[in-house]
Amino acid sequence: SQTIHQWPATLVQPVGSPLSLECTVEGTSNPNLYWYRQAAGRGLQLLFYSVGIGQISSEVPQNLSASRPQDRQFILSSKKLLLSDSGFYLCAWRGILSGNTIYFGEGSWLTVV
Amino acid sequence: GNSVTQMEGPVTLSEEAFLTINCTYTATGYPSLFWYVQYPGEGLQLLLKATKADDKGSNKGFEATYRKETTSFHLEKGSVQVSDSAVYFCALRGYGYSTLTFGKGTMLLVSP
Repeated sequence: SQTIHQWPATLVQPVGSPLSLECTVEGTSNPNLYWYRQAAGRGLQLLFYSVGIGQISSEVPQNLSASRPQDRQFILSSKKLLLSDSGFYLCAWRGILSGNTIYFGEGSWLTVV
Repeated sequence: GNSVTQMEGPVTLSEEAFLTINCTYTATGYPSLFWYVQYPGEGLQLLLKATKADDKGSNKGFEATYRKETTSFHLEKGSVQVSDSAVYFCALRGYGYSTLTFGKGTMLLVSP
């Protein structure tokens, strides 16, 4: 079966510090991978998606970046965090074995202080 | 572009009450429609889906019917439980698109 792992689950970082959130998917090959953000009182916002290694599409201009160094690994990064980067970050995947359904990880809570 | 509009919450109900959460969408072509549920402190879980007009998705007592004529996908449950308290997101994936477009979410609070 397919599983998605995302870490860390909770993170408190000072303004201006770097960020790295990691996500891996198991049990499938060549998945589409996604990073969403859920800010307090707001809906889900698509940040990045990737259809293959090294292929990243950015949906929203910001100080975040994403990378896909391996087929089933997706990393969300920032060089200098802003207060407005606080939120709940969700990694997700979709693949041949999931049909047209996108499945989400458990999420990572980021608080920038 | 694609968009999803769902009723604002919170929706507050007593246990065993009937639930409806409205969701309407705008999309070209024939999107697939989804309801996701987010329990407190957790990620999103797929609740149900429908991929073509008149399809009914169902799971855990929840149902939603894909109504193309009214561009709607309302979520219903005949008798809610306290454990159903969560945030519910309506979403669509446009035909030929790789990504989901979400509504803003509706919080459901069920009291004993």
